[in-house]
Amino acid sequence: DGGITQSPKYLFRKEGQNVTLSCEQNLNHDAMYWYRQDPGQGLRLIYYSQIVNDFQKGDIAEGYSVSREKKESFPLTVTSAQKNPTAFYLCASSIVGDRSYEQYFGPGTRLTVT
Amino acid sequence: AQSVAQPEDQVNVAEGNPLTVKCTYSVSGNPYLFWYVQYPNRGLQFLLKYITGDNLVKGSYGFEAEFNKSQTSFHLKKPSALVSDSALYFCAVRDGGNNRLAFGKGNQVVVIP
Repeated sequence: DGGITQSPKYLFRKEGQNVTLSCEQNLNHDAMYWYRQDPGQGLRLIYYSQIVNDFQKGDIAEGYSVSREKKESFPLTVTSAQKNPTAFYLCASSIVGDRSYEQYFGPGTRLTVT
Repeated sequence: AQSVAQPEDQVNVAEGNPLTVKCTYSVSGNPYLFWYVQYPNRGLQFLLKYITGDNLVKGSYGFEAEFNKSQTSFHLKKPSALVSDSALYFCAVRDGGNNRLAFGKGNQVVVIP
């Protein structure tokens, strides 16, 4: 899982509560990403950031928020507006500016909301 | 938008037999293609990529992939499957002029002892 850490590995919350998932990388990568994984649906992009203090919505940003105050950190907040938040969340990072393009993934956080 | 398709949900193969996991792509321009593997409750691990050059790309753990422009395919192959290759495999393509990747739905590979 490289130099990307996600915590906690498992997270349980009651419906209506906001929850923040942590993602830290020590790879000195400029770009970071958040994906949601549901069985049979592959990975769907929530948000991404290519530089500090800037981020863009992905394909399923509704009900989520992010910040990018430091290069190594990209926390994701799952808000109470997210209708179906139970899922496996994956953070990734990549170099910007060369032709590598591959992303490196953290171990994931499994969120269960009841 | 660029996209990839993985037409099979699950691939079953006997240990020692060749393994093929299929992927087709739809892009405008030159495709940048990737394969990743995921073990249960883990993150994705990068296996290999095609950017340009030789159509046969070699990657980690004995895997290789063949880029076929006329068939718009990028199938993942391993000559002799191991039980430890049982996992979920994802094909991906660079999506647009930034570093976004678009992933397929994934293929569950089951290697039978």
